[in-house]
Amino acid sequence: DAGVTQSPTHLIKTRGQQVTLRCSPKSGHDTVSWYQQALGQGPQFIFQYYEEEERQRGNFPDRFSGHQFPNYSSELNVNALLLGDSALYLCASSPRGEGSNQPQHFGDGTRLSIL
Amino acid sequence: AQKVTQAQTEISVVEKEDVTLDCVYETRDTTYYLFWYKQPPSGELVFLIRRNSFDEQNEISGRYSWNFQKSTSSFNFTITASQVVDSAVYFCALSEALSYNTDKLIFGTGTRLQVFP
Repeated sequence: DAGVTQSPTHLIKTRGQQVTLRCSPKSGHDTVSWYQQALGQGPQFIFQYYEEEERQRGNFPDRFSGHQFPNYSSELNVNALLLGDSALYLCASSPRGEGSNQPQHFGDGTRLSIL
Repeated sequence: AQKVTQAQTEISVVEKEDVTLDCVYETRDTTYYLFWYKQPPSGELVFLIRRNSFDEQNEISGRYSWNFQKSTSSFNFTITASQVVDSAVYFCALSEALSYNTDKLIFGTGTRLQVFP
């Protein structure tokens, strides 16, 4: 039973570029959340997708956008990259159909470095 | 406002010592959930426990135990007889009830635990 998988593992971009990160949720999970974790900090909520819709958004600019596909997988897109976007991007999935606030299961993350 | 505070930035212990990681939270809601996650150097966050606001019973799982006290808004985590494999960053997190359309996690800044042989 595969857990949450994210790709790529590492990515190096330059300022102003655009990036797409991908996430496949754990089998049986229908909800995907994205978090940004800066070095030495706790993860910060970016947004959550359920039924292909963005359900809530954290305090992130519109440069951050996402999508959820019918198979529950998800993408995170970041435009006009800034140096401050360098971080570990974590994807988490959970089974909303099993009741409130089920534990979110995390992937290994994508480490994004902006030069 | 919702907030999670982990005042201990880093703790170092010697193997077999007991260690307690502190977590204090703030929320306006009466229904909420608290979590602990472990983050080893590989980066993946590993779920340890979920507790809802109506269940104040302490829980023990092997060498791990959790003390939830609503009166002090604390959800502390104790590792008994620590082992080198326990070395990681531990995060406490808060989530409000799903009725708010999402169950986003609000994390503390984490406590880095180093267990030396």
